[in-house]
Amino acid sequence: DQQVKQNSPSLSVQEGRISILNCDYTNSMFDYFLWYKKYPAEGPTFLISISSIKDKNEDGRFTVFLNKSAKHLSLHIVPSQPGDSAVYFCAASAQSNTGKLIFGQGTTLQVKP
Amino acid sequence: GAGVSQSPSNKVTEKGKDVELRCDPISGHTALYWYRQSLGQGLEFLIYFQGNSAPDKSGLPSDRFSAERTGGSVSTLTIQRTQQEDSAVYLCASSFRQGRRDTQYFGPGTRLTVL
Repeated sequence: DQQVKQNSPSLSVQEGRISILNCDYTNSMFDYFLWYKKYPAEGPTFLISISSIKDKNEDGRFTVFLNKSAKHLSLHIVPSQPGDSAVYFCAASAQSNTGKLIFGQGTTLQVKP
Repeated sequence: GAGVSQSPSNKVTEKGKDVELRCDPISGHTALYWYRQSLGQGLEFLIYFQGNSAPDKSGLPSDRFSAERTGGSVSTLTIQRTQQEDSAVYLCASSFRQGRRDTQYFGPGTRLTVL
């Protein structure tokens, strides 16, 4: 039972354009969401998070949007840079499972120069 | 400062053998997590430790898997009688506390291949 789903395995965008990565979840108990970025042969690194009391959180070029009614969140990267090429994982947690993260399958982003 | 380190970086073993994977968390971090990533899959939670509390083992896939954390620091994940489906990258993470807003810092992982 995949509680967090990233239905697009890969995404390719041109440098300077917007990248939009999507994530859906099924567990209505999830109330905290995170995005991690992973380069080959490295561990994931935290990128940005959002609490369910918000619908948007912004950090520089990265913005996460949360639509609770649709159980959907998205990560926007603008403008995209070649160094953003990596695997992006969406993750979620519920208050009852403090600290334990449930991850999606990941989306590989390629930003072309 | 030093990040989370894991050893070995790669491990190839034969089916039926036991393996031990090691994780050194960031100094001062009280929470430690193990995840694994199978080919084409996301990260799957295995177990976490928080201070001296009993660990949450709810993600361990079978009783062949066990983990311990000695002295509140280094952790070892042991897989007994390995099977081919155990092949994956095993990732360790640590955080300052167990809170959900405490960022989990990941190590580079151990790639386990069971022949």
